[in-house]
Amino acid sequence: EAQVTQNPRYLITVTGKKLTVTCSQNMNHEYMSWYRQDPGLGLRQIYYSMNVEVTDKGDVPEGYKVSRKEKRNFPLILESPSPNQTSLYFCASSRLADTYEQYFGPGTRLTVT
Amino acid sequence: AQSVTQLDSHVSVSEGTPVLLRCNYSSSYSPSLFWYVQHPNKGLQLLLKYTSAATLVKGINGFEAEFKKSETSFHLTKPSAHMSDAAEYFCVVSVRTGRRALTFGSGTRLQVQP
Repeated sequence: EAQVTQNPRYLITVTGKKLTVTCSQNMNHEYMSWYRQDPGLGLRQIYYSMNVEVTDKGDVPEGYKVSRKEKRNFPLILESPSPNQTSLYFCASSRLADTYEQYFGPGTRLTVT
Repeated sequence: AQSVTQLDSHVSVSEGTPVLLRCNYSSSYSPSLFWYVQHPNKGLQLLLKYTSAATLVKGINGFEAEFKKSETSFHLTKPSAHMSDAAEYFCVVSVRTGRRALTFGSGTRLQVQP
């Protein structure tokens, strides 16, 4: 089954404790992206990657890092999480030729206390 | 640059009555437009998409949307609401240039009364 998976689905952590949210897709997509969803703001792009070893900032990159060492994986790293990063996070992927249609993972709900 | 404005943050209808969720967009390029639905505690599901073919687009669960370039609108409609339609709906614009992000509207929460 073609899908985007994220882990963990739910995470509660404390300020400053480094964490990683994993994202993996099995569709051989070149393009991958992270979004965060906050009430009344829709989804905003954090980082994106057009292929292996090619990543760039989205609209709200502060406090986040990403890496793309393999085509299928695109982890999101919070080196020192803060409460304002409490949010619902979505990973998405697509073919580079069809980035207008992205496939979303199930979401990761992160709470930073 | 592109942007999306969803004109209503909250819409309430009675079961069996029509649904209208309004969306206006702005884009420097020919856009692709989408509607996504998010049910409570669920991920995002693509309802329908417009990618420069027919201006009237039919999606899943009886929803449809019409692309009106002159009005820069992409309103979502359904003739008869069902209780299971209660969810949050996002209008999304995308262009095939630059970082190719999807630009989301702020969402419209649809409530369906029995």
